[in-house]
Amino acid sequence: GENVEQHPSTLSVQEGDSAVIKCTYSDSASNYFPWYKQELGKGPQLIIDIRSNVGEKKDQRIAVTLNKTAKHFSLHITETQPEDSAVYFCAASTGDYKLSFGAGTTVTVRA
Amino acid sequence: SAVISQKPSRDICQRGTSLTIQCQVDSQVTMMFWYRQQPGQSLTLIATANQGSEATYESGFVIDKFPISRPNLTFSTLTVSNMSPEDSSIYLCSASTGTNEQFFGPGTRLTVL
Repeated sequence: GENVEQHPSTLSVQEGDSAVIKCTYSDSASNYFPWYKQELGKGPQLIIDIRSNVGEKKDQRIAVTLNKTAKHFSLHITETQPEDSAVYFCAASTGDYKLSFGAGTTVTVRA
Repeated sequence: SAVISQKPSRDICQRGTSLTIQCQVDSQVTMMFWYRQQPGQSLTLIATANQGSEATYESGFVIDKFPISRPNLTFSTLTVSNMSPEDSSIYLCSASTGTNEQFFGPGTRLTVL
C-alpha cells in the first residue's frame, strides 16, 4: 500500500517568516495530494490540494508544489501568523478516495 | 464542500461496553469513511461505509469490533464494541462528494477506563 513520509515533525517559525513542510509518497499511481490543518480539539480541515496533472497551486498565503518524478510534494506558508499554529497533515490517494496520511507536522508561529 | 457533525463529541466508557458514534452530513455524498486517530498520532482509515451494503474494512480492522451502518447518503454510524483502554482514540467521520475532496467531522473523543 501507499506509504507517505512527512518532515519535519515539528517546525517553529517567527511570525512573518515562511514555513515549508515536505512529504514523499511511494505509490506512483497516486494522483491526488491534499493538505489538512488540524487545530487542537478539532477535526482536520482541508486547506489546499493538488492533482497529478498540476505542478503548483496557490491560494493566498499557502501553496503546494508537486514533483511526480521524485514522488514528493511540499506545502509552503508565507507571511506566517499566530493563527497558522496547528498540526498539518499531508495525504496521498490513488483516486479510490482512500487517503494515506503522513505523520503530521506541528507548526508553532512565535509572535 | 460538506458540513459534517458527529455525536457524541466525547465520552468516557467502561471496558467491555460498546459505544455507537453517529455521523451526519448536510448534503448527499458519494463516499463516507471512518478514521481513528490515536493520541498525538496520524489518521488511520478503519473502513469505507457503503450505502445499503456492508462496509469495506482496512487491514487490521474487523466488522465484529467496528460494525458500521450507512442507511442513506447522509448518515452513518460506527460502533466500537467490547471496548478496552487501547480503543481510547479520536474517531473521525469523513465524506467525499465525488471529486476526491474529503471533508472531516469534528471527531469523537473516546476514553475507555
